[in-house]
Amino acid sequence: AQTVTQSQPEMSVQEAETVTLSCTYDTSESDYYLFWYKQPPSRQMILVIRQEAYKQQNATENRFSVNFQKAAKSFSLKISDSQLGDAAMYFCAYRSASGNTPLVFGKGTRLSVIA
Amino acid sequence: DTGVSQDPRHKITKRGQNVTFRCDPISEHNRLYWYRQTLGQGPEFLTYFQNEAQLEKSRLLSDRFSAERPKGSFSTLEIQRTEQGDSAMYLCASSLSPFDTQYFGPGTRLTVL
Repeated sequence: AQTVTQSQPEMSVQEAETVTLSCTYDTSESDYYLFWYKQPPSRQMILVIRQEAYKQQNATENRFSVNFQKAAKSFSLKISDSQLGDAAMYFCAYRSASGNTPLVFGKGTRLSVIA
Repeated sequence: DTGVSQDPRHKITKRGQNVTFRCDPISEHNRLYWYRQTLGQGPEFLTYFQNEAQLEKSRLLSDRFSAERPKGSFSTLEIQRTEQGDSAMYLCASSLSPFDTQYFGPGTRLTVL
């Protein structure tokens, strides 16, 4: 079974600075998708960024980018120019490319942004 | 597009009571998923539907849990004879197809006293 590990329960960053959240996963599959979801306090989970395993190029969405290392099974999220609104729980998630499997989530990293 | 909605947002019940939650997916989304999230954990899969067909159930879904999606639109999740261990956030998500991004609702927070 696939597993996702987020080794940083909590992180903090100064406003306007850069922070990197770590995620590792375990799978025997070669084709899959990886996601970072953001869950603000008392608000619903939203997708931050998505990476297809067959793509070597790292995904980027505005201030959010990933460092995808397939051989190392590592998928970190970099947030540049951090803003107060970035404060949230961040979940790394895995899904097989077959489409008939649900998301497998890590335990999350709580990010605090210091003004 | 109003997004995924869930009702109620909060539910407090006494142990042994039955509760039912509703999820309305994004219009035309064929896939609908239920997850459970306990404090300090990531969401865990419970079950999912392709239109009205329930395709997979997690081992977490004991026989006290039942989910339906009549007519392939909204879905309900019922918990019978609730236990304190059922206290959690129940999340619903939908996607246009098996390969598309899952969009989450705000969740229903269940507290069993």
